Amino acid sequence: DIVMTQTPLSSPVTLGQPASISCRSSQSLVHSDGNTYLSWLQQRPGQPPRLLIYKISNRFSGVPDRFSGSGAGTDFTLKISRVEAEDVGVYYCMQATQFPPLTFGGGTKVEIK
Amino acid sequence: EVQLVESGGGLVKPGGSLRLSCAASGFTFSSYSMNWVRQAPGKGLEWVSSISSSSSYIYYADSVKGRFTISRDNAKNSLYLQMNSLRAEDTAVYYCAREGDSWGQGTLVTVSS
Repeated sequence: DIVMTQTPLSSPVTLGQPASISCRSSQSLVHSDGNTYLSWLQQRPGQPPRLLIYKISNRFSGVPDRFSGSGAGTDFTLKISRVEAEDVGVYYCMQATQFPPLTFGGGTKVEIK
Repeated sequence: EVQLVESGGGLVKPGGSLRLSCAASGFTFSSYSMNWVRQAPGKGLEWVSSISSSSSYIYYADSVKGRFTISRDNAKNSLYLQMNSLRAEDTAVYYCAREGDSWGQGTLVTVSS
């Protein structure tokens, strides 16, 4: 199974400042169809997960453009250009390239300083 | 609007059984694969099981194989998870998810004597 490793575990950020989360996979996430099935999910406190980004860099419907994804192969990054109070929560990367199973990173907690 | 509503959670003794349901609306349910993903209290996300749109392909995490059974009824726009031989480590919020892009609010399963 592919192991997903996220860093940092926690990211205290000042409102209006950027935040960055890294996700590394134990194997390349490039599928035989040429796509890379790496997604980012946001989970606000007490809420279910919500899809933010799919296939590395595509924002899901309704996701603000301050969220962006990048990367390739085994190394991926989620960036928030200017953190707002509503961005507090835990962020997970998820791979679906080598399925089953779906595998998730351990999560990164974004909190306000 | 996509809606996924889970039900059927509750308190059950070790060795007991529960059947979770997920009612889907706002999209053509029969066209999508569906997943169950769980989250133990204070922990990250763990994939449990997946079923293809026509039920042709079914997959389970090793941790639940032989104990849980996923199924769906496309005529009723519903997804199910039959959970038998429950253990304390199965205690979690169980989410149904449409592929990876839409998630329900979850239903809490507590296994305790």
